[in-house]
Amino acid sequence: DVKVTQSSRYLVKRTGEKVFLECVQDMDHENMFWYRQDPGLGLRLIYFSYDVKMKEKGDIPEGYSVSREKKERFSLILESASTNQTSMYLCASSNGNGQPQHFGDGTRLSIL
Amino acid sequence: QKEVEQNSGPLSVPEGAIASLNCTYSDRGSQSFFWYRQYSGKSPELIMFIYSNGDKEDGRFTAQLNKASQYVSLLIRDSQPSDSATYLCAVKISRIQGAQKLVFGQGTRLTINP
Repeated sequence: DVKVTQSSRYLVKRTGEKVFLECVQDMDHENMFWYRQDPGLGLRLIYFSYDVKMKEKGDIPEGYSVSREKKERFSLILESASTNQTSMYLCASSNGNGQPQHFGDGTRLSIL
Repeated sequence: QKEVEQNSGPLSVPEGAIASLNCTYSDRGSQSFFWYRQYSGKSPELIMFIYSNGDKEDGRFTAQLNKASQYVSLLIRDSQPSDSATYLCAVKISRIQGAQKLVFGQGTRLTINP
C-alpha cells in the first residue's frame, strides 16, 4: 500500500512565522502535490512537483513555496504565515500520467 | 462552467438502498476518472478509478463512465451508514499542461439513514 506521511497532524503557529510542512512518500512516486482544503472551496492545488528539484505552480501559489531535494520528500513553506492561511493542508503523491493520487492524513494548521 | 461539477448535496439515502452520485466534466478529451471518499475531518481515500467507457465494479461500488455525454457516476449498492461521507470526483483534464494534475469536483455529501 502507498504510504504518504505528513509530519504533523495539528500545528499552531503565529502570524509572521515561517512555517514548514513536510511530506514523505514511500512508493518512489514521481509526482507530489500540496493542496489546501477549506469549507465551501473544495481542494485547491498550491504547488506540485514531477521530479526532484522540479516544481510547478498550482492554482493558489501566492504566499507559499516548495522544496523537493529528494524524490520521497516534498516540503511546503509558508514564508510569512498569515491568518488566511489557516486551513487543512493535504499532501498527495502519484506515479506517471493520469494515475490516482494518494493522500496523506493532512495537517490542520492554525495561524493565530 | 466548472471543469468538474458535482451536486453538493446533501444526498440522503435509506440504508440498504442504492446511492447514485454523479459528476460531469467539460473536457471531452479527458482520459482518467477517479472517485474518492472523504470522512469528516479526514483525508480523501481513493475508492474507484475508471479509464474506459462502461461499468467497472468493485464489491458494492460501481463506476460508470460515458465519455460521449461527459459524465461519470458512482453507484453504491446496499448502502450502509458507514458510507456516509463526502464523495469527490477527480478528472485528468487533457488540455491542462502539467499532465499529472487532477481536477477535483466540490464533492457530494452523502448521508445513509438507518
